Amino acid sequence: GAGVSQSPSNKVTEKGKDVELRCDPISGHTALYWYRQRLGQGLEFLIYFQGNSAPDKSGLPSDRFSAERTGESVSTLTIQRTQQEDSAVYLCASSFWTGGYEQYFGPGTRLTVT
Amino acid sequence: GESVGLHLPTLSVQEGDNSIINCAYSNSASDYFIWYKQESGKGPQFIIDIRSNMDKRQGQRVTVLLNKTVKHLSLQIAATQPGDSAVYFCAENMPSDSWGKLQFGAGTQVVVTP
Repeated sequence: GAGVSQSPSNKVTEKGKDVELRCDPISGHTALYWYRQRLGQGLEFLIYFQGNSAPDKSGLPSDRFSAERTGESVSTLTIQRTQQEDSAVYLCASSFWTGGYEQYFGPGTRLTVT
Repeated sequence: GESVGLHLPTLSVQEGDNSIINCAYSNSASDYFIWYKQESGKGPQFIIDIRSNMDKRQGQRVTVLLNKTVKHLSLQIAATQPGDSAVYFCAENMPSDSWGKLQFGAGTQVVVTP
């Protein structure tokens, strides 16, 4: 079946603009995760969803970042008033449940803030 | 705070040799560890995982070893192939974190030479 998909694959935006990043998880996966990966660095946890609820938002860097998930499917990560330090690859992953740990990752969205 | 770290940022291996990638962790209470492989321009791909009640786990051409005494995790790749060239990340779930949150290390770049 289809894997995790993310759109857009690349996004260039001007500082101060808002951006929305989309994640389509694997069908049937109840858990969905967002990570940020700066160039040459490891993955930084942002938030995860179990169903449509987000039990852990502890990784969101500031109140400019928000995420939602609907229909236990698609998730959107929104960054308001983007800053240059927001430039990174944003990765989405999904799994059958949060205890299952084997997270299947999408290809990521490369965000560049100019 | 406590975190996962890696000993070597870059590992050069000759094709056909065995590779050993190391990871140190400082939280002795962490109960789950996982290795991911990330090829250039792609999202991370699950390799193998291990729980803290195990010392060793084998997969196809890969073995993960967990030494709780010295808080050390390693990934062994047998007969390394050019397709193994990638960045390898270890990750852990800390008991203080929610089920869905993994803490990733910085990564080790593996370069397979002919």
